[in-house]
Amino acid sequence: IVMTQTPLSLSVTPGQPASISCKSSQSLHNDGKTYLYWYVQKPGQSPQLLIYEVSNRFSGVPDRFSGSGSGTDFTLKISRVEAEDVGLYHCMQSIQLPTFGQGTRLDIK
Amino acid sequence: EVQLLESGGALVQPGGSLRLSCAASGFTFSNYAMSWVRQSPGERLEWVSTISDSGGSTYYADSVSGRFTISRDNSKSTLYLQMNSLRAEDSAIYYCAKDIPPWAVAIEFDYWGQGTLVTVSS
Repeated sequence: IVMTQTPLSLSVTPGQPASISCKSSQSLHNDGKTYLYWYVQKPGQSPQLLIYEVSNRFSGVPDRFSGSGSGTDFTLKISRVEAEDVGLYHCMQSIQLPTFGQGTRLDIK
Repeated sequence: EVQLLESGGALVQPGGSLRLSCAASGFTFSNYAMSWVRQSPGERLEWVSTISDSGGSTYYADSVSGRFTISRDNSKSTLYLQMNSLRAEDSAIYYCAKDIPPWAVAIEFDYWGQGTLVTVSS
């Protein structure tokens, strides 16, 4: 399954919203579960889980992060970007053996 | 606190071998499937391999099947990746990652280690 993220980079003013799209080449929904995950990789760090199963925030993730979507089209939104949100954002599917998007680099204007 | 600490990365010649380790703490290691994921510069993350909680089932990406072997020692809370017949394209940071649900092989990750660098070059 090919995962395609857009944009590949975005520059956002602090306090403004940001949105990242992730499209899969096949539906990620099966048997009541949608296998779509979002990770952020902050500079010099390993990936951290943000969102699991499309819209569930992982423990400790601020509520300014939200995920939505269904089938093959998904979106990660940050309601008000903060400086600490700088990093590389990845989507991942696990309905089959996992594959990742290309990554979207977020920086601060 | 969940901690995953990889080690064993090095510079190795093409055709050589290397064994990576991942020491886990902060959770009941024997209850969770574990995986290796790699990241080459400028490339997207690539899932490499997964092993079930008991070690009885293993899964590999086509790109490493037949060359890499994943294993675990639950008595030591340690995950391994034996890498043979290494190629330049295997050069990457290798992360170990913990599965989200216990007692299942979901291959979806909540915690990642800090990574260990493997460079394959003559």
